[in-house]
Amino acid sequence: DGGITQSPKYLFRKEGQNVTLSCEQNLNHDAMYWYRQDPGQGLRLIYYSQIVNDFQKGDIAEGYSVSREKKESFPLTVTSAQKNPTAFYLCASKGQLQETQYFGPGTRLLVL
Amino acid sequence: GENVEQHPSTLSVQEGDSAVIKCTYSDSASNYFPWYKQELGKRPQLIIDIRSNVGEKKDQRIAVTLNKTAKHFSLHITETQPEDSAVYFCAASLGGTSYGKLTFGQGTILTVHP
Repeated sequence: DGGITQSPKYLFRKEGQNVTLSCEQNLNHDAMYWYRQDPGQGLRLIYYSQIVNDFQKGDIAEGYSVSREKKESFPLTVTSAQKNPTAFYLCASKGQLQETQYFGPGTRLLVL
Repeated sequence: GENVEQHPSTLSVQEGDSAVIKCTYSDSASNYFPWYKQELGKRPQLIIDIRSNVGEKKDQRIAVTLNKTAKHFSLHITETQPEDSAVYFCAASLGGTSYGKLTFGQGTILTVHP
C-alpha cells in the first residue's frame, strides 16, 4: 500500500467552493476506488473505476465527481452540491486478478 | 445491495485475553471477506481475508471463520496485546463482475488494557 499516495493530507473548503483530492498509484492496478469515512461509521463507496475513461457511481455519489484519464490517477472533486463534506476520504486500488484493495493514507476535508 | 452488520461496536479486553468480532452479510452471492485494521488517523490495512470456499483461516494470533449457511463471519484474536488496539472493519464482496466493490461493516473499536 506504500504505492498509493493521496494529497493533500488536510484540505479546507469554503462554502460554495469545489475542491479536488488527488489519488495516485504506481502499483499498475486497474481498479481504483474512493471511500468516505465518518466518525463511528464504516467506509462508504463514492465512486469506482475499473479502467481508464470509465467509472461508476457508488453508494453515495451525489455531490462528487471523478475522472480517470490515466491509469495511475483517480482524482475526486467535492462539489458545492455536497452539503456535508467534512470527512476522511480514502482512495484504494486493486489489481485485476486480485481481490485485496490497498488504501492510501487519506485526506481529511474540513469546512471553514 | 449488500448489507454488512458488525458487532460489537466497542470491545475492551485485558492483555492476553481473546477478542471476537462478528459480522453478518445479506447477499448469499458474496464470496470474499476481508478484515482491515485501522489505527487512529491512519489508512486501513488488511490483516486477514477469507474466501467462500474456505471455512477457516489462521495467521499466527489471528483467525477468521466463515459460516455461509448463516451468512456470518468472525475475527478471532488470541493473546491480545496493547498494539492490537485499533478499529477493525469487516467487509464483503461479490467478486467477479461486481468490480471488487467492498461493503464495510460499521467498525469495532478494540481496546486492549495492559
